[in-house]
Amino acid sequence: ETGVTQSPTHLIKTRGQQVTLRCSSQSGHNTVSWYQQALGQGPQFIFQYYREEENGRGNFPPRFSGLQFPNYSSELNVNALELDDSALYLCASSHGGASTDTQYFGPGTRLTVL
Amino acid sequence: KNEVEQSPQNLTAQEGEFITINCSYSVGISALHWLQQHPGGGIVSLFMLSSGKKKHGRLIATINIQEKHSSLHITASHPRDSAVYICAVGAGSYQLTFGKGTKLSVIP
Repeated sequence: ETGVTQSPTHLIKTRGQQVTLRCSSQSGHNTVSWYQQALGQGPQFIFQYYREEENGRGNFPPRFSGLQFPNYSSELNVNALELDDSALYLCASSHGGASTDTQYFGPGTRLTVL
Repeated sequence: KNEVEQSPQNLTAQEGEFITINCSYSVGISALHWLQQHPGGGIVSLFMLSSGKKKHGRLIATINIQEKHSSLHITASHPRDSAVYICAVGAGSYQLTFGKGTKLSVIP
């Protein structure tokens, strides 16, 4: 059974560019959640996908968008990058999207925006 | 919106000490999670609680629903326990709200 993987590990972009981050869910999981973690802060919920549909969204602007594919892998896209988008981006997969479900986190992608 | 507060923010302990990390939240919840984050970023789920107490090895987690408070205890602490411990709460469906974390350093 493979765990949750994310790519790339690190990424450097400049302000105004676009970025795509990828996440492969743990085998058997149909739900993926994405989080942004600024330095010294706890993770903040961006959105969740359940069976290829957005299941909920946190307080993030529309330039943060996502996709979930039939194999339940997922992408996070961020357009028009801003300096404040510099953070660790985490995805987590689970079987079901309820807050009572245990989430399995990937190692994260560290994004730096210059 | 649920507010999650953790204390202390930083904790340094000698190996073998009993450790307690606290988490308080402002709104009624359906689930509380304790997570462990090591340097580099990876997060591991330790416990999910909706009531009572859970134990896994040297780790014990308790929750008091009426007082909106949870504690994570580590018995016989070890340097490998050094990490950031994060509390996260969910009230209903999908969204978790996270605390800022408690950074634990265990010195040999």
